[in-house]
Amino acid sequence: NAGVMQNPRHLVRRRGQEARLRCSPMKGHSHVYWYRQLPEEGLKFMVYLQKENIIDESGMPKERFSAEFPKEGPSILRIQQVVRGDSAAYFCASSLLGQGRNTIYFGEGSWLTVV
Amino acid sequence: DQQVKQNSPSLSVQEGRISILNCDYTNSMFDYFLWYKKYPAEGPTFLISISSIKDKNEDGRFTVFLNKSAKHLSLHIVPSQPGDSAVYFCAASLNTGNQFYFGTGTSLTVIP
Repeated sequence: NAGVMQNPRHLVRRRGQEARLRCSPMKGHSHVYWYRQLPEEGLKFMVYLQKENIIDESGMPKERFSAEFPKEGPSILRIQQVVRGDSAAYFCASSLLGQGRNTIYFGEGSWLTVV
Repeated sequence: DQQVKQNSPSLSVQEGRISILNCDYTNSMFDYFLWYKKYPAEGPTFLISISSIKDKNEDGRFTVFLNKSAKHLSLHIVPSQPGDSAVYFCAASLNTGNQFYFGTGTSLTVIP
């Protein structure tokens, strides 16, 4: 499967636990984006990364959230000490280019439920 | 601040007729526009795009129109099919930026 792969698809965490969401971009893509969709809302940008670099994290909450895209392996979105308000669908996307007239392709999403 | 707006949360259309989904934006610097389709519990799927130097782009049953002076774009689906029933998101980006700004989506129902 050459598409964007996300796992887990569904994750349940108790308040205060950590959530780790993984994303492998499409083959040949080195640009990764994370978006969040809260219930009844649109897609909100969180962070944009290239290999080993965070390029734009202007959409990330200042606390508890972090992202990385190591030289080897998938991109990881990490949420520490989860709260109920973190319950959402988290979508990863990747692109061939980093900017300009660029198309991003999404994965299937990871649904986080905090209980 | 919602820079891309889809003011119709839902739309119902008869099978075979035209579906028109609308999107407005506020930032005149947006350079590239995209439409995505999303089924429940799945990720958004890229449909069609248009750059600011064009006013129309067509791909099969899907046509996107861009009116820069009105800061408005629309997606036309002709003829509509029941399988088109999904949520449609429009998105915009800046030429120098790496964020894509999404609207809140329009849920399309095509009635057989």
